[in-house]
Amino acid sequence: DGGITQSPKYLFRKEGQNVTLSCEQNLNHDAMYWYRQDPGQGLRLIYYSQIVNDFQKGDIAEGYSVSREKKESFPLTVTSAQKNPTAFYLCASSPLRYGTEAFFGQGTRLTVV
Amino acid sequence: GIQVEQSPPDLILQEGANSTLRCNFSDSVNNLQWFHQNPWGQLINLFYIPSGTKQNGRLSATTVATERYSLLYISSSQTTDSGVYFCAYDYKLSFGAGTTVTVRA
Repeated sequence: DGGITQSPKYLFRKEGQNVTLSCEQNLNHDAMYWYRQDPGQGLRLIYYSQIVNDFQKGDIAEGYSVSREKKESFPLTVTSAQKNPTAFYLCASSPLRYGTEAFFGQGTRLTVV
Repeated sequence: GIQVEQSPPDLILQEGANSTLRCNFSDSVNNLQWFHQNPWGQLINLFYIPSGTKQNGRLSATTVATERYSLLYISSSQTTDSGVYFCAYDYKLSFGAGTTVTVRA
């Protein structure tokens, strides 16, 4: 099936540990995005990438890092520098860099204890 | 940056009722889309609608780009329509704060 796969669905980590969230798409989309959602809130952009080996910071990039070595993959690392990492993380992709609809994965709920 | 206002913030409907959700923008926007987030967190793309009107079953959307707003219409609402509705815009795919819709049986 074509789509966007985020894994794992639930993730628990101890405070101070880095953790990497996976996002894979087989839709041949150029652009990929990472968002953070806190309870009862909207989506805030962390990073986005419009082409392989290039990515841009969003509104809340501090404490996060990404890579885009392959068109299909856009992993997000939540580092120990992120002060409040517990949240719902959503990955999206869209076919072109500009002007077409986006599709989302099912999300990863990260809990840091 | 562009400011977006979604209204109303919350909406409670009786099953079968119609409703209109709105996004107002402080400046011209591109790449306008509407999403529905279900209670399990999944975001579904409803419409890509930079201008004009589109319909999909009981849902329809209209964007008047020159007046910087977009509307989402829900007709004959069902309990499965519950969730949060977001408008999103721009190449960075920025999101509004959302409208939380609760449809009661």
